[in-house]
Amino acid sequence: SYDLTQPPSVSVFPGQTASITCSGDKLGEKYAFWYQQRPGQSPVVVIYQDNRRPSGIPERFSGSSSGNTATLTISGTQALDEADYHCQAWDTSAHVLFGGGTKLTVL
Amino acid sequence: QLQLQESGSGVVKPSQTLSLTCAVSGGSFSSGSFSWGWIRQPSGKGLEWIGYIYDGETSYYNPSLKSRVAVSIDRSKNQLSLDMNSVTAADTAVYYCARGLRDGMSHYFDLWGQGAQVTVS
Repeated sequence: SYDLTQPPSVSVFPGQTASITCSGDKLGEKYAFWYQQRPGQSPVVVIYQDNRRPSGIPERFSGSSSGNTATLTISGTQALDEADYHCQAWDTSAHVLFGGGTKLTVL
Repeated sequence: QLQLQESGSGVVKPSQTLSLTCAVSGGSFSSGSFSWGWIRQPSGKGLEWIGYIYDGETSYYNPSLKSRVAVSIDRSKNQLSLDMNSVTAADTAVYYCARGLRDGMSHYFDLWGQGAQVTVS
């Protein structure tokens, strides 16, 4: 089976840059998507198709993907960015894949 | 504005069938580039894709759940349904319905319901 691997947790000081990775075999050949999930809330997509930002998502959220790794970057991290972040891909069998999720802590 | 709302069995006994529905307000379960799916999340854990349907009849399922799951759309009731049989405690989770956007090699969920807690006990 195809797996997506994320670090369980990432910490960042306010105003600094947070990077969350998502690794999978040849992930760079698929699109990566990122969801933000605040406590008690439903997920919200913050990046789609590797690096595209939906309307309403702040510019400080960006994405990149190459090789086996996709990366979500949050520049100038704010306290309200503290949340769980989930990566997602779609494989050639038309199956949806999620990573295990990363808890972002703003110190 | 389109909204999704899950409802259904909150507590299910082991070995029985879990049934959930997802109602749409402000629109309908249109086809075209949209899919309609279910995702679950055990407490404190990550998201797990269950399955989705598009064009009203073509469905895909997580291989680990495929033998126990069925996703369907009832357009007369404007409802998306999930049935999962032979449940165990491992199926205890918050269950989300979601709208998917499909475009070539791109497929992601841009609209989610608020989620429904299901406990197997």
